[in-house]
Amino acid sequence: QKEVEQNSGPLSVPEGAIASLNCTYSDRGSQSFFWYRQYSGKSPELIMSIYSNGDKEDGRFTAQLNKASQYVSLLIRDSQPSDSATYLCAVNKPEAGGTSYGKLTFGQGTILTVHP
Amino acid sequence: DAGVTQSPTHLIKTRGQHVTLRCSPISGHKSVSWYQQVLGQGPQFIFQYYEKEERGRGNFPDRFSARQFPNYSSELNVNALLLGDSALYLCASSPPGWGRYQETQYFGPGTRLLVL
Repeated sequence: QKEVEQNSGPLSVPEGAIASLNCTYSDRGSQSFFWYRQYSGKSPELIMSIYSNGDKEDGRFTAQLNKASQYVSLLIRDSQPSDSATYLCAVNKPEAGGTSYGKLTFGQGTILTVHP
Repeated sequence: DAGVTQSPTHLIKTRGQHVTLRCSPISGHKSVSWYQQVLGQGPQFIFQYYEKEERGRGNFPDRFSARQFPNYSSELNVNALLLGDSALYLCASSPPGWGRYQETQYFGPGTRLLVL
């Protein structure tokens, strides 16, 4: 079982629709969760972080976390063609003793295509 | 403010050679992490350095090494290159502080390495 799993897609949605991207993780000790966007040939760009169960909204983006189900999602409202990219879910788990540092474990990414 | 910078942008090497990749973090950031991203996969953690000390190492062979300098810039070295080392090498920096600050990674543009 992979530590972080995403449906590789591609996910295709029409312009103006809601795009829903999902991610599951295997380690219950995971505490911090991140969504990155990566355009073709470019590096990952941080969209959002989420640490507590529930929803976190930032503009057209909403991240949802359910630690009991080990599930993270990203909703993109009013999707635009410029949102077409690969979306990466990343997870951080504290080390033994509770120390946390920047070792992120990434899923393989979901390719999103928004068509006009 | 300038983001994370990396050099070179592209590199072609042959099997068995050695390569050095360089990274400068965002101004004020003291932590640098290195990731390897193979085509079609999410980034994989290689190292993290904070204040010149190695704080974490991923599951990579000893051919991979890194260091951080007093100005917080960093080098990643890879010896005895293999074809499988062909990838995008990403450097990320984190804001100063502990915990969630360290976990939040801001990526540079990457160095694309091709091993022939």
